[in-house]
Amino acid sequence: EIVLTQSPGTLSLSPGERATLSCRASQSVSNSYLAWYQQKPGQAPRLLIYGASSRATGIPDRFSGSGSGTDFTLTISRLEPEDFAVYYCQQYGSSRYTFGQGTKLEIK
Amino acid sequence: QITLKESGPTLVKPTQTLTLTCAFSGFSLSTSGVAVGWIRQPPGKALEWLALIYWDDDKRYSPSLKSRLTVTKDTSKNQVVLTMTNMDPVDTATYYCAHRRVGASYFDYWGQGTLVTVSS
Repeated sequence: EIVLTQSPGTLSLSPGERATLSCRASQSVSNSYLAWYQQKPGQAPRLLIYGASSRATGIPDRFSGSGSGTDFTLTISRLEPEDFAVYYCQQYGSSRYTFGQGTKLEIK
Repeated sequence: QITLKESGPTLVKPTQTLTLTCAFSGFSLSTSGVAVGWIRQPPGKALEWLALIYWDDDKRYSPSLKSRLTVTKDTSKNQVVLTMTNMDPVDTATYYCAHRRVGASYFDYWGQGTLVTVSS
């Protein structure tokens, strides 16, 4: 089973700053099979990025995904107040899905 | 417009069987390539994938929970049902169902989730 490790666990930044979130896989992941979600308190996860770098419908272009193999990154170019949330990466492989443990993005 | 909504008991006792229903609209689970998944999230913890059922009734389960899970579909009612046997307090979580589009490896639409507490 592929394990996804996200870092940092918590990221404290101010609105307007750039956020860089990491997702590292224990084995190589096909780029097509890496996604990112945003989750706010009391809400279901929201798909942000799929295929490692493609934005989902309606996602602002300040969100971008990159990476390949075992190292993937979610970047938020300029933080807006509504971006402070928990972010999860997710991979698909061998007919199963796994999620990372999440990165909490909090206001500094 | 795709929507999904989970329903079921909010409280179950240890050792009991949990049955959750996902009612959906805006797509058909008879369309080739479409699937519906179940994911759970214990309070304050990360997401955990549980199961997936495909349009052709093929099913996939989390290896760690496979012996306890069953997923079925009723295409005519636009519903998917998840059963989990031998519930334990560690199974306390919000349970989500989610839509997986044709050929995708991710979940693009999610239900609101339903919190299930396991306690005697």
